[in-house]
Amino acid sequence: GDSVTQMEGPVTLSEEACLTINCTYTATGYPSLFWYVQYPGEGLQLLLKATKADDKGSNKGFEATYRKETTSFHLEKGSVQVSDSAVYFCALRIQGAQKLVFGQGTRLTINP
Amino acid sequence: ETGVTQTPRHLVMGMTNKKSLKCEQHLGHNAMYWYKQSAKKPLELMFVYNFKEQTENNSVPSRFSPECPNSSHLFLHLHTLQPEDSALYLCASSQGDSGRGQETQYFGPGTRLLVL
Repeated sequence: GDSVTQMEGPVTLSEEACLTINCTYTATGYPSLFWYVQYPGEGLQLLLKATKADDKGSNKGFEATYRKETTSFHLEKGSVQVSDSAVYFCALRIQGAQKLVFGQGTRLTINP
Repeated sequence: ETGVTQTPRHLVMGMTNKKSLKCEQHLGHNAMYWYKQSAKKPLELMFVYNFKEQTENNSVPSRFSPECPNSSHLFLHLHTLQPEDSALYLCASSQGDSGRGQETQYFGPGTRLLVL
């Protein structure tokens, strides 16, 4: 079946450090890929998405590239801030379907 | 962000109680969803409604009963719950045109439920 695997957290970094959160997927169809972020006490917010191979999604300094050959969609940011502390979820959606399949989430804490 | 609202934000209930969760979307969408977020588990899709019709039930126990009276409102009626049902229940909505594969789901803040 379809599944998403994220690197296990929690991840703790210092401000201005580089961030990579790994995400790989298994899909029977041709998926769209998403990163959602959940700040403390809030629901999920879409951070970025990519709908086909080699697409790069970007938002708020975060980037992720849809790599079909490695079935990956790693989240990256060159310089993190304290305000980036949150839980990050990688997800996929098979084209034509409405169901989002989520990874288990990665908790990120940024220290000043 | 007030596109999708959920009430109440927190709920404590006993196993014999009956309660309802409410979700409202102000985005003009035609599809609405219930998800369950349990500790240490991935988010799980529970139900999907398109144009007020239930189109997906992800093997959810009957003690959870959804209702979608119109495209803007979605309810989750709860009865005879178990302590393991304690979780964050998230509502989402999307345009409802899933064929293009471009659809984005917008989430509410969730209702944190504790079953005693």
